[in-house]
Amino acid sequence: EIVLTQSPATLSLSPGERATLSCRANESISFYLAWYQQKPGLAPRLLIYDSYYRATGIPARFSGSGSGTDFTLTISSLEPEDFAVYYCQQRSNWPNTFGGGTKVEIK
Amino acid sequence: QVQLVQSGAEVKKPGASVKVSCKASGYSFTGYYIHWVRQAPGQGLEWMGRVNPISGATNIAQRFQGRVTMTSDTSITTVYLDVRGLTSDDTVVYYCARSSGDSLDVWGQGSLVTVSS
Repeated sequence: EIVLTQSPATLSLSPGERATLSCRANESISFYLAWYQQKPGLAPRLLIYDSYYRATGIPARFSGSGSGTDFTLTISSLEPEDFAVYYCQQRSNWPNTFGGGTKVEIK
Repeated sequence: QVQLVQSGAEVKKPGASVKVSCKASGYSFTGYYIHWVRQAPGQGLEWMGRVNPISGATNIAQRFQGRVTMTSDTSITTVYLDVRGLTSDDTVVYYCARSSGDSLDVWGQGSLVTVSS
């Protein structure tokens, strides 16, 4: 089973700042990585799929990059609604797995 | 619009079973796999498996095999998750989600199952 490690666990930033979230796989997953945003009490929302494609309706301030074992989600300028938990997920190998999450909180 | 609507919250006793439903609408039901993901209170996401709505074929994570069944009824565009032998560790929110190439692009609202004696 592929293990995804997300860092940092918590990111404390102010609105307008740039957020950089990391997801590392314990073996290569090519570019088969997705990112999700989850707010309290709600279902996750797909942001990025296959490493860098934005899902429908996702603002351009969200971008993804990486391949192999190292991936990054960047939020170029944090909006108030972006403070949430972010998960990465790989679909390269069965079973699909999720990372442990990064909480982006208001500083 | 495209949506997945799940059944409501349930309370079950240890050892019991639960069946969660997920009704799809607004898209071609047979064109997309449905996945099940669960989340314990305050914890992360855990992928359980997926079902092909046309064939009924499933891929279930090894740790759930033998205890979980995923089925589909195309006549009512609904997918079901059955979990048997519930324990307190199964007090979670179950989510169904549509996949597009195994990225989960549409999610249900979640169904809380509480296991308590």
